[in-house]
Amino acid sequence: QKEVEQNSGPLSVPEGAIASLNCTYSDRGSQSFFWYRQYSGKSPELIMFIYSNGDKEDGRFTAQLNKASQYVSLLIRDSQPSDSATYLCSVSRPYKIIFGKGTRLHILP
Amino acid sequence: EAGVAQSPRYKIIEKRQSVAFWCNPISGHATLYWYQQILGQGPKLLIQFQNNGVVDDSQLPKDRFSAERLKGVDSTLKIQPAKLEDSAVYLCASSLESHTEAFFGQGTRLTVV
Repeated sequence: QKEVEQNSGPLSVPEGAIASLNCTYSDRGSQSFFWYRQYSGKSPELIMFIYSNGDKEDGRFTAQLNKASQYVSLLIRDSQPSDSATYLCSVSRPYKIIFGKGTRLHILP
Repeated sequence: EAGVAQSPRYKIIEKRQSVAFWCNPISGHATLYWYQQILGQGPKLLIQFQNNGVVDDSQLPKDRFSAERLKGVDSTLKIQPAKLEDSAVYLCASSLESHTEAFFGQGTRLTVV
C-alpha cells in the first residue's frame, strides 16, 4: 500500500458545481495534512491545511479529515475554470512529508 | 517576505555530465527539502535537512546525487554523472518546522539529452 494515495483523474466537473477530491494515507502517526494546487509548469502552492478531525473551511474550499478512516478530502464549491489544476495531497509526521501523485481536476465551462 | 529562491530555472546537459542546483530557503525556516518531480507525477522527496543535518535521504540515489546545506541556510544539490532518467523538475521547499506547511521555489527544469 502506498503511503498517500489519490485518484489520478482527470476529474471533470461542470463550472459552478462542487468538486470533491479524496486522499487516503497509511501511517496512523500522521499529524498534519495539506492540500496543494499545482498548475501545469508551476510549483505547488498551499491552499489548505488541517490538523484535527472534522471540517475546515476557507472561502470556497473545505478540507475534511477523518483520522479513524485515514482519509482526507478537499471540497471546492462553485468551481471556476481557474480551479483546473492538479491537486496534491500531502501528509506529514515529524521529520517526514509525503506527497500523493495528485488528482487532475478539469472544470468544464 | 521573500520566497524560496532557486537557480537556474532551466538546464540542459548531456548524459554523463554533472550539474548543480542552488536553493535559498525562506529566512528562518529550519527545514529544507529537495524534491524530484517527473512529468505527471507528484513530488518525490530526495533529501530533507533540519538546519544543517540530514533527516531523510532514503530516496536519494547516493551513487550519483549529493546535497549539502552548509551553515544551515542555503543548499546545493548535485548530480554526477547525469542519466537520461534524471530529466525532471527539481523543487526546493522550506518550512518553519518539519511538520508545518512547505513553501516551494519555482523549480529547476533539468533535461538530460
